[in-house]
Parts: sequence; C-alpha cells; structure tokens
Amino acid sequence: QVQLVESGGGVVQPGGSLTLSCAASGFTFSNSGMHWVRQAPGKGLAWVALIRYDGTNKFYADSVKGRFAISRDNTNNTLYLQMDSLSADDTAIYYCAKGAGTNWYDGEWAYLDLWGRGTRVTVSS
Amino acid sequence: DIQVTQSPASVSASVGDRVTITCRASQDISSWLAWYQQEPGKAPKLLIFGASRLQGGVPSRFSGSRSGTDFTLTINNLQPEDFATYYCQQANSFPLTFGGGTKVEIK
Repeated sequence: QVQLVESGGGVVQPGGSLTLSCAASGFTFSNSGMHWVRQAPGKGLAWVALIRYDGTNKFYADSVKGRFAISRDNTNNTLYLQMDSLSADDTAIYYCAKGAGTNWYDGEWAYLDLWGRGTRVTVSS
Repeated sequence: DIQVTQSPASVSASVGDRVTITCRASQDISSWLAWYQQEPGKAPKLLIFGASRLQGGVPSRFSGSRSGTDFTLTINNLQPEDFATYYCQQANSFPLTFGGGTKVEIK
C-alpha cells in the first residue's frame, strides 16, 4: 500500500524540541525527494523543507532555517524533522509529502504527489 | 520569494456549476504551478501539475490553464465531493509557496 505515516507530534513547551518521523511504504523511497509541509490551525499550507532523494541537498523555509533539520534513512524508508527552539508560531499539523517524479534533474520533485495524514504539534506552556 | 495570490477566498456554488479559481504569480514561473484539493480534516491531494497536466486518477472535470503569470483551475459540472478548499503552489524556485486557498462551498 502506497502511504506515508507521520508520528512524533505532541505538546511541547516554548523553547523545546521535538522530532517528527514519517514512515514510507509502497514506493521506492530512495528515489524520491521528500518534503515537510505544515498547516497552522485554520490557516493555509506552508512549505517547510525538502531533502534530495539521496540526502545530499536540503532546503528550508526562512522561518525554520537554523532551527529545523530534515533528514532521511533510506535503509528504513523513514523521513525525519528535528525541530528545536520551538515557538507558538510553530504550532501546526505537519505533513510529510513525496515529491513527484524519479529524475531529480527534471524538477518534478517540487510537486507533492503523495501526502501523509499529518501529525499535530502544539507549542504551549 | 515568489508570491502567489489566489482568488477568490471563497465561492458558493451548486452541484453542476462551473467554478473558476485563479492564482497570480509575482514573477514569471513558466508553467511551474500545481493545484491541490484539501477536504476538511484530510491531507491535500495533487490535482494538476505543470499548470495543466492532470494527475493520474483525477476526474477530467478538473482542468488547469496558464496565461503569462495568471493560472486558472476550472471545475466543470461540480460534484458533491468537490466541495473542499483548493490551493495553488508555485514549483519554480525556493521557497516553494502556496496560495492562500479557495474554499468552495455549497450554495
């Protein structure tokens, strides 16, 4: 079954840290660029980060640069998001998403063709 | 950063209607634009990429077009399952950015 399943969300105090995981199945994970996208309560979608299929390149939104780290384990088909120095503005549902295409150089990894159901992160004291 | 301005924020329509949603990019993004559908409480779903290419499994009543930096999503013969929120996303350059969303509501 082709799916992405996020885990690791929860309630964390301001300034705290959290690590999200995303388990992939049903497709060749090691061929796919992978993203994190978030959605604050009642708000729209906001792209967070992308990691290249082999983990050699990582890209971040300015709002999380220096605080969040995206990584992947292609042996275990798992994507991660390490989040540090969390603030209330980071409260959101966090989705992992698969980039489309299998050729990194055609750019289609910028389209998100498979999404997980999300994991909720609440930053509150 | 490339801004994508989506309009309208909401639209009321009836089953069988045609609905048009527009996104305008703040600079040339060629055809690097996607459209997503998000039903309440669910994850987004890719509908169209490359401005006009229909994702596999998406009904043909959905279509996309481009005119310069203006992009349009058209839903013909609106069905009950189409009442949802729609987002555009530019895929031309980092950071990837989404439009603010359009909620399609039942009239």
